[in-house]
Amino acid sequence: GAGVSQSPSNKVTEKGKDVELRCDPISGHTALYWYRQSLGQGLEFLIYFQGNSAPDKSGLPSDRFSAERTGGSVSTLTIQRTQQEDSAVYLCASSLDGTSYEQYFGPGTRLTVT
Amino acid sequence: GDSVTQMEGPVTLSEEAFLTINCTYTATGYPSLFWYVQYPGEGLQLLLKATKADDKGSNKGFEATYRKETTSFHLEKGSVQVSDSAVYFCALSDQGRGSTLGRLYFGRGTQLTVWP
Repeated sequence: GAGVSQSPSNKVTEKGKDVELRCDPISGHTALYWYRQSLGQGLEFLIYFQGNSAPDKSGLPSDRFSAERTGGSVSTLTIQRTQQEDSAVYLCASSLDGTSYEQYFGPGTRLTVT
Repeated sequence: GDSVTQMEGPVTLSEEAFLTINCTYTATGYPSLFWYVQYPGEGLQLLLKATKADDKGSNKGFEATYRKETTSFHLEKGSVQVSDSAVYFCALSDQGRGSTLGRLYFGRGTQLTVWP
């Protein structure tokens, strides 16, 4: 079946602009995670959604970052007023539920802030 | 807090050589441990996992044993192939302590290059 998909695959934006990154999890997976992969910081957890529960936003680096998940499926990560340090690959993962051990990762969105 | 430390790369080996990538962790409970692999141009894939002490995870000739006494989860393969060239990430999840939060804590990654 289809895996986790993310769009766009690449995004170049100017400093100060807002960007939206999209994640389509595997159908039926109730848990969804966003991570960021950057040269300086490695792989960092950003936010976690599980079903209809309030998301765990503890990994978001600043209030410029927000995310939502509509209808328990598609998720959008929004970065407002982008900065150069936001340049990274943003990875989305889903798992069957919050207690499943395996997370399935999407191919990522490479964000470059110029 | 929870964290993972893994051996820095890059690691360069000849085909059929023995591979070890060291990984140690810090956690207050009994986390689940994972190795993920990222092949060139592809997304992260789960390679193997172990959910309790002394468990051995294995896949594609790779093995790792969950050692509570040394807080380690070293990745090994007896004979690497060119196709094993990739970045390998050690990770832990705090689900093992009964939490439903499955966030992963990753090591920095180790680039492996295998030459024919």
